[in-house]
Formats: sequence, C-alpha cells, structure tokens
Amino acid sequence: GAGVSQSPRYKVAKRGQDVALRCDPISGHVSLFWYQQALGQGPEFLTYFQNEAQLDKSGLPSDRFFAERPEGSVSTLKIQRTQQEDSAVYLCASSLAPSYEQYFGPGTRLTVT
Amino acid sequence: GENVEQHPSTLSVQEGDSAVIKCTYSDSASNYFPWYKQELGKGPQLIIDIRSNVGEKKDQRIAVTLNKTAKHFSLHITETQPEDSAVYFCAASMEYGNKLVFGAGTILRVKS
Repeated sequence: GAGVSQSPRYKVAKRGQDVALRCDPISGHVSLFWYQQALGQGPEFLTYFQNEAQLDKSGLPSDRFFAERPEGSVSTLKIQRTQQEDSAVYLCASSLAPSYEQYFGPGTRLTVT
Repeated sequence: GENVEQHPSTLSVQEGDSAVIKCTYSDSASNYFPWYKQELGKGPQLIIDIRSNVGEKKDQRIAVTLNKTAKHFSLHITETQPEDSAVYFCAASMEYGNKLVFGAGTILRVKS
C-alpha cells in the first residue's frame, strides 16, 4: 500500500524566499507530525496535528515556520524568508491514531543558498 | 523535557557478528521506545518498538530490551548482514501527543 509521500524531494531556495513543503499521509491516518533533521543528527519534532487541529507547535523554531492541515489529510509546512540555518531535511510522519506507530515519508531536502 | 542519549555513534562489525546499540532517556514518564533504521536518502523506517509494560521484545534477528528503573533500552541485532548497514535511531515518547524525541544516531557498518 501507499506510504507517506512528500514533495518536492529536493528544494533549493535563495535566502529570503518563501517555501512550501507538502506531506500526503497514509490514508485514514489521524495523526501527522513534522520533524526537522539536520545533517548527521536525529530528527527533531516541529509540530503535531490530530485531524485538522494543530495540537502542539512547540518545536517550531520561529514565527517564520507555519504548518497547516485544513481538511485533516494533506499537510503543508511553510517557511517564510528562509535563512541558511533552515537548510535541513524536513520529515513528515503519520500514525493511525494517537499512541500508534509513526511512519515516515522520504523527506524534503531544503538547501538555502 | 525529555533527553535521549545514544551510544556508540559508529559501530563496525563483521558479517555474522552481533551488534548492540544503547540508549538512555531522562524522563521517567516516557513509556514508548521505537527504533528506526535510516538508509541514505530515505526516511526513517520503524524496525521494532517496545512499550513500558514489557521488558523485552524480539522479531527474528532483532530484539529490544528495556530497563525502566535504569532508564535505558538497547537494540540487539544478531547474525548481521551487509544490508543491515545503515543509521539507527532510538527514540522515546510519552503517551500524550506522542511526539518522538530521538537520539543522535548510530552508523552501523557490517563488513563482509
């Protein structure tokens, strides 16, 4: 069956540009997570949705980061006025319900030049 | 908040040998501990997990042990094969919200 998909797989942005990263979770999965993975590090939590409700955004590093999931399915992570320190792989994960296993997508590698 | 430490950072073993990766966590409220395998250019893949009401879990060549008193858990891979070469991450989470806190990862190299 289809897993979590993310697009684009690679994104190069000039410093100051806005970017939008898309996540398609596994069909029927209620919970959706975004993580940021710097080179050579473990993923770090950014934000969490249960259906369309954003229940936890404690990991978002600044107000330049914004995430939404308006219909409780596809989610978009938006980064405004990108900075070099935003360069990382952005991972999306979904789970059937709270407290179930999380399944990750392949990630979007963002490079800010 | 929760902090997860993982050791070693790199591990080289001969094909057929066993590999052990250890993690410690700081928050006694954590009760779910998954392990992920990440290959180059791919997202993390769940390989095994354990919940706090269980001390050990095994799935073919992979096993995980948990010591809640000492707040540490370990991944054991037996009869390693070249395709086991990857980066392995441990993680911990609490029930509510279940966001995962990851260790820094272990690069496992299996030499044939």
